[in-house]
Amino acid sequence: DSGVTQTPKHLITATGQRVTLRCSPRSGDLSVYWYQQSLDQGLQFLIQYYNGEERAKGNILERFSAQQFPDLHSELNLSSLELGDSALYFCASGPNSPLHFGNGTRLTVT
Amino acid sequence: AQRVTQPEKLLSVFKGAPVELKCNYSYSGSPELFWYVQYSRQRLQLLLRHISRESIKGFTADLNKGETSFHLKKPFAQEEDSAMYYCALNDSGAGSYQLTFGKGTKLSVIP
Repeated sequence: DSGVTQTPKHLITATGQRVTLRCSPRSGDLSVYWYQQSLDQGLQFLIQYYNGEERAKGNILERFSAQQFPDLHSELNLSSLELGDSALYFCASGPNSPLHFGNGTRLTVT
Repeated sequence: AQRVTQPEKLLSVFKGAPVELKCNYSYSGSPELFWYVQYSRQRLQLLLRHISRESIKGFTADLNKGETSFHLKKPFAQEEDSAMYYCALNDSGAGSYQLTFGKGTKLSVIP
């Protein structure tokens, strides 16, 4: 168990909809990272938050947004969903050691 | 821009045979490199990082700056080694781990 918790495990929704993915980092970790894993693109860094503030942005679409709350959990919001957004979304926490990943949320857009 | 290349999508070896999973990188500074393993759609787990120079589950990896490589090796493959292996590079500097991943190599160990 990495200590990083992600909910839900699976999410099935229709195109055009909006979903929220949740991540609780390991105890003591201030940073949360979001990654997308798809068959086409592999693992891609989306965004990082550190102690509530956005620290870095990667290949994150404008339809996607994230935030980190005072209790350090993070949410990734995906809106106007398209079929191509179907992927496994991983959260990881840090920053003082190599990233520890959660089990991921599998999003299926139909 | 930084890049991580894993040239083999799939690598099949017999149990007991040596394994080498290749990883090449392009990066202008001093890289920090990692190997992660993912068993059957589970979470990514850190296997190795180059600065620790330790052996985990019999795997080792040496950073070769001249060849810009960080190949993962194991002398005798086991069936439980079957998994996806990802090489990753951290180029964000101290305190931040925005990893760039390779596409991954699926290792299949044949009994």
